[in-house]
Amino acid sequence: GQNIDQPTEMTATEGAIVQINCTYQTSGFNGLFWYQQHAGEAPTFLSYNVLDGLEEKGRFSSFLSRSKGYSYLLLKELQMKDSASYLCAVTDKLIFGTGTRLQVFP
Amino acid sequence: NAGVTQTPKFRILKIGQSMTLQCAQDMNHNYMYWYRQDPGMGLKLIYYSVGAGITDKGEVPNGYNVSRSTTEDFPLRLELAAPSQTSVYFCASSSGLAHQETQYFGPGTRLLVL
Repeated sequence: GQNIDQPTEMTATEGAIVQINCTYQTSGFNGLFWYQQHAGEAPTFLSYNVLDGLEEKGRFSSFLSRSKGYSYLLLKELQMKDSASYLCAVTDKLIFGTGTRLQVFP
Repeated sequence: NAGVTQTPKFRILKIGQSMTLQCAQDMNHNYMYWYRQDPGMGLKLIYYSVGAGITDKGEVPNGYNVSRSTTEDFPLRLELAAPSQTSVYFCASSSGLAHQETQYFGPGTRLLVL
């Protein structure tokens, strides 16, 4: 079957670092996306991992371990505007997790 | 570029009514997608298209139909609306192969079926 797990909610403080985990069990796998979605808005692309390892893009980094069926999104120097839901999605079937709602407090 | 546009933004339907959700993109993308997102949930793929004239079912296609007569447009049809179809519908597009490219999402259509 197809299954993607993410924590439902997380909280963090402005300026801190937070790690959002995603584990998956899918019949096919090409790569893993991370999207950010602010309340009432459409998802926007953050990262796409195909190979094992860490990819860094400014304050955001994404890690993938294909053998473990595991990924995480690392957000550094948190800002209030980072309060949003973070969705991981696995291709080739385009299966999305339910999303992790992150609240950043001052 | 307008990107991905969707109309209407919001609609209320009565049970049994039908409607078409419009989606258009001006990025010349081959791939287009329809998702639904229920409150507090992730996205569920309804249908997708890899090019004009080609469509395929996603995870939750029942109760919906699509067509792709042009590269730009990908309308989603609800024939007999049911309360279970109350949701936010997102259209998206991407270039490249096998869903491995970034998807660009439209602003969504909020549908309420009463």
